[in-house]
Amino acid sequence: EAQVTQNPRYLITVTGKKLTVTCSQNMNHEYMSWYRQDPGLGLRQIYYSMNVEVTDKGDVPEGYKVSRKEKRNFPLILESPSPNQTSLYFCASSYRGNTEAFFGQGTRLTVV
Amino acid sequence: EDQVTQSPEALRLQEGESSSLNCSYTVSGLRGLFWYRQDPGKGPEFLFTLYSAGEEKEKERLKATLTKKESFLHITAPKPEDSATYLCAATLGGAQKLVFGQGTRLTINP
Repeated sequence: EAQVTQNPRYLITVTGKKLTVTCSQNMNHEYMSWYRQDPGLGLRQIYYSMNVEVTDKGDVPEGYKVSRKEKRNFPLILESPSPNQTSLYFCASSYRGNTEAFFGQGTRLTVV
Repeated sequence: EDQVTQSPEALRLQEGESSSLNCSYTVSGLRGLFWYRQDPGKGPEFLFTLYSAGEEKEKERLKATLTKKESFLHITAPKPEDSATYLCAATLGGAQKLVFGQGTRLTINP
């Protein structure tokens, strides 16, 4: 089954404690991206990757890091999380950046 | 600035009461217009892609249409299970990204 898998689904952490959210896709897509979704602000792109070893900032990249060492994986790293990063996070993959994207189930992150 | 705007923010209908959701875009060259359905706490689920004015796509009770300035998602005789947030997104100009609207939260009462 074609899918985008994120882990964990839920995470509560403390300010400053580094964390990684994993994302994997099995559709051989070139393009992967991370979004955060906040009430009233909609989906905002954090980082994207057009291919292996190629990553770039989206609209709200501050406080986040990504890497793309393999085509299928695109982890999101918060090196020093802060409460304003409490949000619902989605990973997505697509053939190209301007084609339909397929989303993971989301990771609800709470930073206290 | 490229923008995608959806209206209304929320819509409450009775079961069987047809209506339309709107997605308007200000853009320098639309490359594609996408509709998604999102259930609470879940990831957006892809519904349709439209590429050119006049194009229409249908799936069950949903039909998406596209003009040069906006897209409509028509819902015919909706059922309670159609309740969800509907998102539209556009790829604009030469940008390799989707720009999302804020969504319309649709509630269908039995």
